[in-house]
Order: sequence, then C-alpha cells, then structure tokens
Amino acid sequence: AQKVTQAQTEISVVEKEDVTLDCVYETRDTTYYLFWYKQPPSGELVFLIRRNSFDEQNEISGRYSWNFQKSTSSFNFTITASQVVDSAVYFCALSEETSGSRLTFGEGTQLTVNP
Amino acid sequence: GAVVSQHPSWVICKSGTSVKIECRSLDFQATTMFWYRQFPKQSLMLMATSNEGSKATYEQGVEKDKFLINHASLTLSTLTVTSAHPEDSSFYICSARDAGFNSPLHFGNGTRLTVT
Repeated sequence: AQKVTQAQTEISVVEKEDVTLDCVYETRDTTYYLFWYKQPPSGELVFLIRRNSFDEQNEISGRYSWNFQKSTSSFNFTITASQVVDSAVYFCALSEETSGSRLTFGEGTQLTVNP
Repeated sequence: GAVVSQHPSWVICKSGTSVKIECRSLDFQATTMFWYRQFPKQSLMLMATSNEGSKATYEQGVEKDKFLINHASLTLSTLTVTSAHPEDSSFYICSARDAGFNSPLHFGNGTRLTVT
C-alpha cells in the first residue's frame, strides 16, 4: 500500500528565509511518480513538480528545488528566499504504476511566510 | 496546456436535496477521471475512479448510492451528491489524465459544497 507522510503540519518563517518541506513515502512498486502541489486559500491545486522513480536528479526551478533520495524514500521541497505569496498548504503525493493514476496525498504542510 | 474545468465552483444547498458537480476535460480526452474530497484543514482523499463507459470504482467507505458518478463521454464526468446532509459539506475536486500512467494529471479548480 502506498503512503505519504508530511511530518510538518505547520511552518512559519520570515520573508527571505529558506524553508524545506519534508516528504517521506512508502511504496512497494518500483515504478511510481512523486508530486508536489501548492494549495492557496482559494483552494485550487497548483502543480509544482512530477518526478518519476527512475530519475533521482535534483531539480531547481527558480526559487524552488527538490531533493529526491530513494535511499531514504524522501522527496523534500525547498523554497529559497521565501516570499509572502508562498504562503499556502503544500501537498506531497505519490502515484504507483499498479494503482493507475490514483494519487495518495500527504497530510499537507501549512506554510506561512510573514513579512 | 491541458485544462480541466469543474462546475460549479461553489454551491449551497438544503439538506435532503441533490447536487451535481461536473468535471470536463477541455482540450483532451480523459478515459479516467478521479474524484477527491477535502474536509477543512485536511488532506485530499480519493473517493472514486471514474472510467468512461463503465461503472466507477469507489474507495472503501464511500457510499456509491450516495455519490453517483457518471462518465458518459471522454470529456465529462459528473458527481451527484444525493440527499445531501451537512456532513457532506466539503471541497470536491476532480482530476483527469489524457493517456496512460505516464501522462500527467490535471486538476479542476474544485467545488465547495455547503449543505444547510
């Protein structure tokens, strides 16, 4: 069975600080995808990244970066120089090949960036 | 890029009535759509998988007679909350993929249902 754990329920930082959101997953599949989504107060899910299980390269997109480590089953997300607009709930999610495209979401991390 | 349109974005209904939520893929054909529910300050939980032309597959604990899903075409899936109760008040969000497992998922903007 697939499981995603986001141990940090809430994080509060001051603008311009770097912040890392943790994500640990469990799966028995060798082929799977990991995702990060941002959910602002308006509710829609904003897609941030999708990473397949065979690609462990870290990725950087502007102020966002992701660290995928299969050895520790983690897919952590770092925001550099955080901004107030980054305040949102962030979800990590997992999709196993044997489960089709069904996503299992973590509990989410509420990030608050204070000015 | 691919877009999934969900309608309505919010709805208020009285207890005992039924509410229909639509999920449309606008520029691709979706053989499979997924319906999620999110209670306040909680995560998204998969309710059911909707397959075009066949019966939906419901997750454990989701009442199929209460949450009717119809996926009559490759671009439209509907979720009907029948005989709604206040505890059904939630945020419902659909997602769709346009091909196999390797294709990306696209989410609608969600529907906030309030049952009074």
